[in-house]
Amino acid sequence: AAGVIQSPRHLIKEKRETATLKCYPIPRHDTVYWYQQGPGQDPQFLISFYEKMQSDKGSIPDRFSAQQFSDYHSELNMSSLELGDSALYFCASSTFYGYTFGSGTRLTVV
Amino acid sequence: QQPVQSPQAVILREGEDAVINCSSSKALYSVHWYRQKHGEAPVFLMILLKGGEQKGHEKISASFNEKKQQSSLYLTASQLSYSGTYFCGTEISNNQGGKLIFGQGTELSVKP
Repeated sequence: AAGVIQSPRHLIKEKRETATLKCYPIPRHDTVYWYQQGPGQDPQFLISFYEKMQSDKGSIPDRFSAQQFSDYHSELNMSSLELGDSALYFCASSTFYGYTFGSGTRLTVV
Repeated sequence: QQPVQSPQAVILREGEDAVINCSSSKALYSVHWYRQKHGEAPVFLMILLKGGEQKGHEKISASFNEKKQQSSLYLTASQLSYSGTYFCGTEISNNQGGKLIFGQGTELSVKP
Protein backbone atom coordinates (compact mmCIF):
# COMPACT_ATOMS: atom_id res chain seq x y z
CA ALA A 1 0.00 0.00 0.00
CA ALA A 2 1.19 3.51 -0.76
CA GLY A 3 2.56 5.48 2.15
CA VAL A 4 3.47 9.07 2.81
CA ILE A 5 6.77 9.80 1.10
CA GLN A 6 9.17 12.41 2.43
CA SER A 7 12.41 13.62 0.98
CA PRO A 8 15.18 13.94 1.73
CA ARG A 9 15.58 11.50 4.63
CA HIS A 10 18.55 13.38 6.03
CA LEU A 11 19.69 16.95 5.54
CA ILE A 12 22.65 18.82 6.94
CA LYS A 13 22.68 22.58 6.62
CA GLU A 14 24.72 25.41 8.06
CA LYS A 15 23.28 28.24 10.13
CA ARG A 16 21.51 30.90 8.09
CA GLU A 17 21.09 28.56 5.11
CA THR A 18 17.76 27.54 3.56
CA ALA A 19 16.18 24.09 3.43
CA THR A 20 13.24 22.66 1.52
CA LEU A 21 11.48 19.51 2.68
CA LYS A 22 9.08 17.65 0.44
CA CYS A 23 6.08 15.49 1.20
CA TYR A 24 3.98 13.30 -1.06
CA PRO A 25 0.76 12.27 0.69
CA ILE A 26 -1.16 9.07 0.20
CA PRO A 27 -3.33 9.38 -2.94
CA ARG A 28 -6.85 10.63 -2.21
CA HIS A 29 -5.88 11.84 1.27
CA ASP A 30 -7.17 15.39 1.32
CA THR A 31 -5.24 16.87 4.24
CA VAL A 32 -1.51 17.25 4.80
CA TYR A 33 0.15 18.15 8.11
CA TRP A 34 3.67 19.12 9.09
CA TYR A 35 5.10 18.32 12.50
CA GLN A 36 8.43 19.07 14.14
CA GLN A 37 9.86 16.70 16.73
CA GLY A 38 12.90 17.59 18.78
CA PRO A 39 14.94 14.93 20.63
CA GLY A 40 12.85 13.35 23.37
CA GLN A 41 9.92 15.63 22.57
CA ASP A 42 6.43 15.03 21.29
CA PRO A 43 5.61 16.03 17.72
CA GLN A 44 4.68 19.71 17.53
CA PHE A 45 2.10 20.78 14.96
CA LEU A 46 3.41 23.33 12.46
CA ILE A 47 0.84 23.75 9.70
CA SER A 48 -1.82 21.91 7.72
CA PHE A 49 -3.41 22.09 4.29
CA TYR A 50 -6.81 20.94 3.17
CA GLU A 51 -7.45 20.75 -0.56
CA LYS A 52 -4.37 22.89 -1.25
CA MET A 53 -5.45 25.69 1.07
CA GLN A 54 -3.80 26.37 4.43
CA SER A 55 -6.27 25.17 7.02
CA ASP A 56 -4.53 25.59 10.37
CA LYS A 57 -1.33 26.97 11.75
CA GLY A 58 0.56 26.01 14.88
CA SER A 59 3.88 27.01 16.34
CA ILE A 60 5.54 27.64 13.00
CA PRO A 61 8.25 30.33 12.97
CA ASP A 62 7.88 33.20 10.52
CA ARG A 63 11.10 31.95 8.90
CA PHE A 64 9.20 28.86 7.76
CA SER A 65 6.60 28.70 5.03
CA ALA A 66 4.75 25.88 3.38
CA GLN A 67 2.44 25.25 0.50
CA GLN A 68 0.53 22.45 -1.15
CA PHE A 69 0.66 22.12 -4.90
CA SER A 70 -1.90 21.08 -7.50
CA ASP A 71 -0.67 17.47 -7.35
CA TYR A 72 -1.21 17.57 -3.55
CA HIS A 73 2.43 17.29 -2.66
CA SER A 74 3.60 19.79 -0.06
CA GLU A 75 6.84 21.59 0.63
CA LEU A 76 8.11 23.12 3.84
CA ASN A 77 10.57 25.93 3.24
CA MET A 78 12.85 26.95 6.06
CA SER A 79 15.07 30.00 5.84
CA SER A 80 17.73 31.58 8.08
CA LEU A 81 18.21 28.22 9.76
CA GLU A 82 19.15 28.18 13.42
CA LEU A 83 20.77 25.46 15.52
CA GLY A 84 17.44 25.00 17.31
CA ASP A 85 15.77 23.99 14.05
CA SER A 86 17.60 20.66 14.20
CA ALA A 87 14.84 18.09 14.55
CA LEU A 88 12.85 15.38 12.85
CA TYR A 89 10.23 16.82 10.54
CA PHE A 90 7.25 14.63 9.82
CA CYS A 91 4.60 15.02 7.21
CA ALA A 92 1.30 13.23 7.66
CA SER A 93 -1.79 12.84 5.55
CA SER A 94 -5.20 11.84 6.74
CA THR A 95 -8.65 10.66 5.97
CA PHE A 96 -11.52 10.10 8.36
CA TYR A 97 -9.77 6.98 9.61
CA GLY A 98 -6.63 8.51 10.99
CA TYR A 99 -3.29 10.03 10.21
CA THR A 100 -0.44 8.29 8.42
CA PHE A 101 3.03 9.67 8.98
CA GLY A 102 5.93 9.67 6.60
CA SER A 103 9.34 8.42 7.69
CA GLY A 104 10.46 11.95 8.38
CA THR A 105 13.35 14.20 7.41
CA ARG A 106 16.13 14.54 9.94
CA LEU A 107 17.45 18.09 9.69
CA THR A 108 20.74 18.89 11.33
CA VAL A 109 21.85 22.50 11.44
CA VAL A 110 25.56 23.00 12.13
CA GLN B 1 -4.19 22.69 24.76
CA GLN B 2 -1.87 19.72 25.04
CA PRO B 3 -3.39 16.52 26.48
CA VAL B 4 -1.70 15.09 29.55
CA GLN B 5 -0.46 11.52 29.57
CA SER B 6 0.34 9.32 32.53
CA PRO B 7 2.51 7.66 33.50
CA GLN B 8 5.56 9.20 31.85
CA ALA B 9 7.37 5.88 31.75
CA VAL B 10 6.59 2.22 32.38
CA ILE B 11 8.87 -0.79 32.68
CA LEU B 12 7.25 -4.18 32.21
CA ARG B 13 8.28 -7.80 32.08
CA GLU B 14 7.10 -9.73 29.04
CA GLY B 15 3.53 -10.90 29.58
CA GLU B 16 2.58 -8.13 32.02
CA ASP B 17 -0.21 -5.64 31.42
CA ALA B 18 -0.12 -1.84 31.31
CA VAL B 19 -2.52 1.07 31.12
CA ILE B 20 -1.65 4.47 29.68
CA ASN B 21 -3.96 7.38 30.33
CA CYS B 22 -4.61 10.54 28.35
CA SER B 23 -6.71 13.45 29.56
CA SER B 24 -7.70 16.76 28.08
CA SER B 25 -9.10 19.97 29.51
CA LYS B 26 -11.06 20.54 26.30
CA ALA B 27 -14.06 18.72 24.87
CA LEU B 28 -12.75 16.23 22.35
CA TYR B 29 -14.00 15.01 19.03
CA SER B 30 -11.52 12.16 18.79
CA VAL B 31 -8.54 10.54 20.42
CA HIS B 32 -5.79 8.82 18.45
CA TRP B 33 -3.11 6.50 19.76
CA TYR B 34 0.32 6.07 18.21
CA ARG B 35 3.45 4.10 19.00
CA GLN B 36 6.84 5.48 18.02
CA LYS B 37 10.16 3.66 18.03
CA HIS B 38 13.30 5.75 18.40
CA GLY B 39 14.08 7.70 15.23
CA GLU B 40 11.06 6.33 13.38
CA ALA B 41 7.67 7.73 12.42
CA PRO B 42 4.70 7.42 14.78
CA VAL B 43 2.63 4.38 13.83
CA PHE B 44 -1.14 4.61 14.02
CA LEU B 45 -2.74 2.20 16.51
CA MET B 46 -6.36 3.28 16.68
CA ILE B 47 -8.79 6.16 16.66
CA LEU B 48 -11.71 6.64 19.03
CA LEU B 49 -14.51 9.03 18.25
CA LYS B 50 -16.73 10.73 20.80
CA GLY B 51 -19.42 8.37 21.92
CA GLY B 52 -17.56 6.49 24.64
CA GLU B 53 -16.57 3.60 22.46
CA GLN B 54 -13.95 1.01 23.12
CA LYS B 55 -11.79 -0.46 20.42
CA GLY B 56 -9.45 -3.39 20.22
CA HIS B 57 -6.46 -4.31 18.14
CA GLU B 58 -5.10 -7.77 19.01
CA LYS B 59 -3.92 -7.39 22.62
CA ILE B 60 -4.09 -3.62 22.54
CA SER B 61 -7.39 -1.89 23.23
CA ALA B 62 -8.54 1.57 24.20
CA SER B 63 -11.51 3.36 25.68
CA PHE B 64 -12.73 6.93 25.43
CA ASN B 65 -14.83 8.59 28.12
CA GLU B 66 -16.27 11.61 26.36
CA LYS B 67 -17.71 13.16 29.52
CA LYS B 68 -14.38 13.09 31.32
CA GLN B 69 -12.37 13.85 28.17
CA GLN B 70 -10.19 10.90 28.99
CA SER B 71 -8.87 7.96 27.07
CA SER B 72 -6.98 4.90 28.22
CA LEU B 73 -4.82 2.50 26.24
CA TYR B 74 -4.69 -1.08 27.52
CA LEU B 75 -1.74 -3.30 26.68
CA THR B 76 -2.37 -6.94 27.58
CA ALA B 77 0.24 -9.68 27.87
CA SER B 78 2.93 -7.32 26.63
CA GLN B 79 5.51 -8.44 24.09
CA LEU B 80 9.04 -7.17 23.51
CA SER B 81 7.81 -5.50 20.32
CA TYR B 82 5.51 -3.26 22.36
CA SER B 83 8.48 -1.22 23.56
CA GLY B 84 8.45 2.36 22.38
CA THR B 85 6.91 5.71 23.17
CA TYR B 86 3.15 5.89 23.11
CA PHE B 87 1.47 9.14 22.22
CA CYS B 88 -2.15 10.07 22.40
CA GLY B 89 -3.28 12.72 19.96
CA THR B 90 -6.47 14.69 20.31
CA GLU B 91 -8.75 16.55 17.94
CA ILE B 92 -11.27 19.04 19.27
CA SER B 93 -13.37 19.17 16.11
CA ASN B 94 -13.98 17.25 12.93
CA ASN B 95 -13.35 20.26 10.73
CA GLN B 96 -11.52 19.33 7.59
CA GLY B 97 -7.88 20.22 7.89
CA GLY B 98 -7.93 20.41 11.66
CA LYS B 99 -4.96 19.28 13.67
CA LEU B 100 -3.86 16.54 16.01
CA ILE B 101 -2.27 17.69 19.24
CA PHE B 102 -0.02 15.13 20.90
CA GLY B 103 0.50 14.41 24.56
CA GLN B 104 4.02 14.39 25.92
CA GLY B 105 4.33 10.62 25.47
CA THR B 106 4.70 7.55 27.67
CA GLU B 107 7.89 5.55 27.29
CA LEU B 108 7.20 1.84 27.58
CA SER B 109 10.01 -0.68 28.01
CA VAL B 110 9.25 -4.39 27.93
CA LYS B 111 12.02 -6.60 29.31
CA PRO B 112 12.44 -10.35 28.76
